[in-house]
Amino acid sequence: DTEVTQTPKHLVMGMTNKKSLKCEQHMGHRAMYWYKQKAKKPPELMFVYSYEKLSINESVPSRFSPECPNSSLLNLHLHALQPEDSALYLCASSQPTRRSGEQFFGPGTRLTVL
Amino acid sequence: AQTVTQSQPEMSVQEAETVTLSCTYDTSESDYYLFWYKQPPSRQMILVIRQEAYKQQNATENRFSVNFQKAAKSFSLKISDSQLGDAAMYFCAYWTTGNQFYFGTGTSLTVIP
Repeated sequence: DTEVTQTPKHLVMGMTNKKSLKCEQHMGHRAMYWYKQKAKKPPELMFVYSYEKLSINESVPSRFSPECPNSSLLNLHLHALQPEDSALYLCASSQPTRRSGEQFFGPGTRLTVL
Repeated sequence: AQTVTQSQPEMSVQEAETVTLSCTYDTSESDYYLFWYKQPPSRQMILVIRQEAYKQQNATENRFSVNFQKAAKSFSLKISDSQLGDAAMYFCAYWTTGNQFYFGTGTSLTVIP
């Protein structure tokens, strides 16, 4: 299984809502990533978990809260978002011990904040 | 910090023709990997091809090949016999051990029937 899955595919939320994005992989990868991507732009790294521990937080606002319950799952909890947070949120995974560093991406969650 | 530059925001190619997408990067490392990722409209980002810096031979995957010039820090992607399904955003990316991915700004490829 070389797939990274993300749910939901689409999410519309108000600025006062609380929601969560979910990501799952069963490739045995021990590094997982959250990216934010605007249209026609490259992905911007938000968070990196390595062996279930947060290793990189790219100065992301606290209204985004990541969680890695186990080595297969990654969540992104959303609260009090702003309209400018509307974007495609991508999850990716990789194997830290693999020399090439290749990342496998999920299909993304398209988030709209009203 | 490493930088990756894609100087062609948009490219177009006739179906069945060949197109080359450019990528340059800046690094002081000697051991690293370079990647080309493809992201079709509203679809998943997938790996097209990878190149290890220590390998002099250019990587090839079916209709996709790279021209890796390490001294010039250049990593271009050639797509031969272009197909309609090749239409996508293409991102060049750089990675070295213990570090994050650095993406270029992307090239939007249109395939004209």
